[in-house]
Amino acid sequence: QQPVQSPQAVILREGEDAVINCSSSKALYSVHWYRQKHGEAPVFLMILLKGGEQKGHDKISASFNEKKQQSSLYLTASQLSYSGTYFCGTDNFGNEKLTFGTGTRLTIIP
Amino acid sequence: DTGVSQDPRHKITKRGQNVTFRCDPISEHNRLYWYRQTLGQGPEFLTYFQNEAQLEKSRLLSDRFSAERPKGSFSTLEIQRTEQGDSAMYLCASSLGGLADLQDTQYFGPGTRLTVL
Repeated sequence: QQPVQSPQAVILREGEDAVINCSSSKALYSVHWYRQKHGEAPVFLMILLKGGEQKGHDKISASFNEKKQQSSLYLTASQLSYSGTYFCGTDNFGNEKLTFGTGTRLTIIP
Repeated sequence: DTGVSQDPRHKITKRGQNVTFRCDPISEHNRLYWYRQTLGQGPEFLTYFQNEAQLEKSRLLSDRFSAERPKGSFSTLEIQRTEQGDSAMYLCASSLGGLADLQDTQYFGPGTRLTVL
């Protein structure tokens, strides 16, 4: 069962902050965040592991609540280049097969 | 490090024809994944390889789909007797993998967009 993301869409002015949430009905081993622009491949943003380890880009942060089976992606001081659809991918078993969420469309306006 | 490459980038075919796509992963990446993405949806897992071994195949994948990674390097995905419902973006990703740690990061290729007429 795919994770649920919220909100489904959000429009921000440049410089504003956003939070995107990802919720799973199953226990999570890891959560992976990607951004995809129209017609392009998903681009890696963050990986968060059960136990607290994480890796990602300097300007993006995320959290992983194992008990709630949720992750959140925090985008601060948004730039026009942040526009796109954000997907979380969840690994429930530690075998790296990802199940992707429903996506959050982010639009940044000047 | 040249990234994941896929060929062709676009393929238009007639219903009933066979098509084959190629994926070249990042060198030294042991794991290779195939996903399918339709408009407005997230990528959907199809299958993945650890070196040359195919470890899992989605139950949603019909017998018309087959994938290989013969020497543990590049991979091919073949669709036989294509149907209009096969129209989608086919994405390949690779990772160092194997240890279920931060090296699990999957890097995606540009995809092959298939249109079945």
